[in-house]
Amino acid sequence: KAGVTQTPRYLIKTRGQQVTLSCSPISGHRSVSWYQQTPGQGLQFLFEYFSETQRNKGNFPGRFSGRQFSNSRSEMNVSTLELGDSALYLCASSTDLPDTQYFGPGTRLTVL
Amino acid sequence: GNSVTQMEGPVTLSEEAFLTINCTYTATGYPSLFWYVQYPGEGLQLLLKATKADDKGSNKGFEATYRKETTSFHLEKGSVQVSDSAVYFCALTEANSGYALNFGKGTSLLVTP
Repeated sequence: KAGVTQTPRYLIKTRGQQVTLSCSPISGHRSVSWYQQTPGQGLQFLFEYFSETQRNKGNFPGRFSGRQFSNSRSEMNVSTLELGDSALYLCASSTDLPDTQYFGPGTRLTVL
Repeated sequence: GNSVTQMEGPVTLSEEAFLTINCTYTATGYPSLFWYVQYPGEGLQLLLKATKADDKGSNKGFEATYRKETTSFHLEKGSVQVSDSAVYFCALTEANSGYALNFGKGTSLLVTP
């Protein structure tokens, strides 16, 4: 079974721009979660979607948003990018929580 | 709230040495506990998990036991290999936080030949 895939793998943007990241979960998985990884703050939970509904949200500003499609694929969007948004963004999928979450390789976002 | 504390790295060991990475947690309910591993340039891979007290998770020679009395989930391996060099994250999930993974800061392990 194919694993979690994320596109693109690398992205460079400038301050003020917006960006959209994509995540395709493992086939049959309906829960998708997003995490941000930075050297300073470590791994932090952004949000979780199940059946196209956001079920849980972490402590991030409204510039961070997401959505999930009927095929369980998910996107996250960051508007008005700031330098501090530079990070590795990881997507994880699960059949449903609390079942184990499996991670994709991440998207490395650099904001200049 | 809940939190995870793990020992600061980096940890440097010689091949075939014994590994222990300490992890303690605070939680309000009954968490599930996890160890994830991250190799350079990659995402996180689940290494092992335990869902209730006294459970032992094991995989690829790594083990960890869920100790409720000491709120700990220490990772151990009897004989490390160079290929074990990576960053190891202890994490928990709990119902009252919607089962979002709450991670420790990570411990970098370097195994030298």
